[in-house]
Amino acid sequence: DTEVTQTPKHLVMGMTNKKSLKCEQHMGHRAMYWYKQKAKKPPELMFVYSYEKLSINESVPSRFSPECPNSSLLNLHLHALQPEDSALYLCASSQGTINYYGYTFGSGTRLTVV
Amino acid sequence: GNSVTQMEGPVTLSEEAFLTINCTYTATGYPSLFWYVQYPGEGLQLLLKATKADDKGSNKGFEATYRKETTSFHLEKGSVQVSDSAVYFCALIGDAGNMLTFGGGTRLMVKP
Repeated sequence: DTEVTQTPKHLVMGMTNKKSLKCEQHMGHRAMYWYKQKAKKPPELMFVYSYEKLSINESVPSRFSPECPNSSLLNLHLHALQPEDSALYLCASSQGTINYYGYTFGSGTRLTVV
Repeated sequence: GNSVTQMEGPVTLSEEAFLTINCTYTATGYPSLFWYVQYPGEGLQLLLKATKADDKGSNKGFEATYRKETTSFHLEKGSVQVSDSAVYFCALIGDAGNMLTFGGGTRLMVKP
């Protein structure tokens, strides 16, 4: 299995809702990442987990809350989002945070906040 | 810090034309270099990579050569197809081995 699987593919939520994005990989990778991508821009790093521990938080607002329940799963909990948070959210994984072979990305969750 | 610069798009070509997308980088030492492709409505896929100077990465008819002397990793394809229409991102991982740094992306549009 050489894939990163993200669910759901599309999500529409109101500003008072609570929702979660899920990401799963079975490649034995020990680093997992959340990125946010706005239209016509490159992905922007949000969070990095290494060996199931949060190692990097790129000053992301607290309305985004990551969780890594085990080495294969990564969640992003969403609460009280703003319309400007609408974007494509990408999950990625790599062998470790120190690696020279690149990351494997999922197909993303297209989030719309109304 | 590390940085990647790509040519601005969109690049519009006719089918079977030759493609070049320029990519240059700034980094100390010997970074690993990547091209990722993003088709409409999808995530990023690794297209090809090169991990040391003079290496040539290739996949699906695309090629790029790691040129240390010019700090470049230009993407080329001899004959593009409509199905190659996508956004292409050049990226690097520095020689510390951490963090993927992206260029701004180049949109390619191929017309029949």
